Amino acid sequence: GAVVSQHPSWVICKSGTSVKIECRSLDFQATTMFWYRQFPKQSLMLMATSNEGSKATYEQGVEKDKFLINHASLTLSTLTVTSAHPEDSSFYICSARDPSAGMNTEAFFGQGTRLTVV
Amino acid sequence: GNSVTQMEGPVTLSEEAFLTINCTYTATGYPSLFWYVQYPGEGLQLLLKATKADDKGSNKGFEATYRKETTSFHLEKGSVQVSDSAVYFCALTRNSGNTPLVFGKGTRLSVIA
Repeated sequence: GAVVSQHPSWVICKSGTSVKIECRSLDFQATTMFWYRQFPKQSLMLMATSNEGSKATYEQGVEKDKFLINHASLTLSTLTVTSAHPEDSSFYICSARDPSAGMNTEAFFGQGTRLTVV
Repeated sequence: GNSVTQMEGPVTLSEEAFLTINCTYTATGYPSLFWYVQYPGEGLQLLLKATKADDKGSNKGFEATYRKETTSFHLEKGSVQVSDSAVYFCALTRNSGNTPLVFGKGTRLSVIA
């Protein structure tokens, strides 16, 4: 099946620095990717939809200047957490669906990135 | 709008017990339905899916049947194992490759030996 790879799997950074998380579709072209945030023992919160070659669409309440999304190619989307603070510590997960596989297809998920801001 | 409601956990079962996690949905049209599983510290993995009414998805001993009349997609397993301990998410899609899945809140399952 299709594979989505996310990197890094975990990162620790100092408060005030920026962190970039990469999400790659390994065997299909993803014109659209999705970024989620998950707090401990809670569900997934959709943060934004990343569109190849255009601006990302952010969900209500998500700061676009804080969470920069770039989707420069059909296989790579990046999420940059700028000027990170301890409250940004969370588990971030990317996802993509393979549009060539048809209308009823599942989404494939990256392994997730555990961000800890100290 | 589209939404998914699943039973709240946590659910704690003894090994070899029968598992049911309820999931109901609200959607326009005919969505596809999914169950995902998330093991600790990992992303989500597709467990099973069903794309039309009366379809039964199955995998690793888990089953779920797409019931249009009751708008449900309950997850069942006849005999759970300790290794099944995870968080289970019910989800639906609006049948477009460019839209995100709609997820339930997740149900945490703990199986004890």
